[in-house]
Amino acid sequence: GQNIDQPTEMTATEGAIVQINCTYQTSGFNGLFWYQQHAGEAPTFLSYNVLDGLEEKGRFSSFLSRSKGYSYLLLKELQMKDSASYLCAVRDSNYQLIWGAGTKLIIKP
Amino acid sequence: DTEVTQTPKHLVMGMTNKKSLKCEQHMGHRAMYWYKQKAKKPPELMFVYSYEKLSINESVPSRFSPECPNSSLLNLHLHALQPEDSALYLCASSLGTGDQETQYFGPGTRLLVL
Repeated sequence: GQNIDQPTEMTATEGAIVQINCTYQTSGFNGLFWYQQHAGEAPTFLSYNVLDGLEEKGRFSSFLSRSKGYSYLLLKELQMKDSASYLCAVRDSNYQLIWGAGTKLIIKP
Repeated sequence: DTEVTQTPKHLVMGMTNKKSLKCEQHMGHRAMYWYKQKAKKPPELMFVYSYEKLSINESVPSRFSPECPNSSLLNLHLHALQPEDSALYLCASSLGTGDQETQYFGPGTRLLVL
């Protein structure tokens, strides 16, 4: 079967750094996506990894290790507006997105 | 511009009603998607249109009927829904369905079936 695991919830402090992990087991791999979703709103695209390594985009970075079936999203200089759910999604061999259940990130002052 | 628009934002309907959800994008994307999302769950894929043809139907009940009138528009026709169909319905689009194609989501329609 296909499976994507993320922690259900994480808490961090404003101004700090947090790392959200994602491990996956899918039938094939054609890229991994991270989306941010605020409560009641649509997911917004954050990052895409298809090759091993780190992709940096401002305060957000995403890392991929295909051999380990592992990715993480790193958020630096946390702001209150970063409180949201973060969804990891893997595109499988059929080019379908398999979604993780999401990690709810709570930022405290 | 990475905007996908959806109307209406909110919809309340009875189980005997017929209604339609609309989605529009003007990014030249050739793939469009309907997802259903329940609270605290990830999106569930319902339908995929590629070049205006239905390419994927994830065993969705026939009370949901998709339509793609042209490459910019995607509709979801609703008829005889059940209360358990209450959810956030998300439309997304991507340039294509192959490698490195990112899906961009609309704001969603929050549907309540009474």
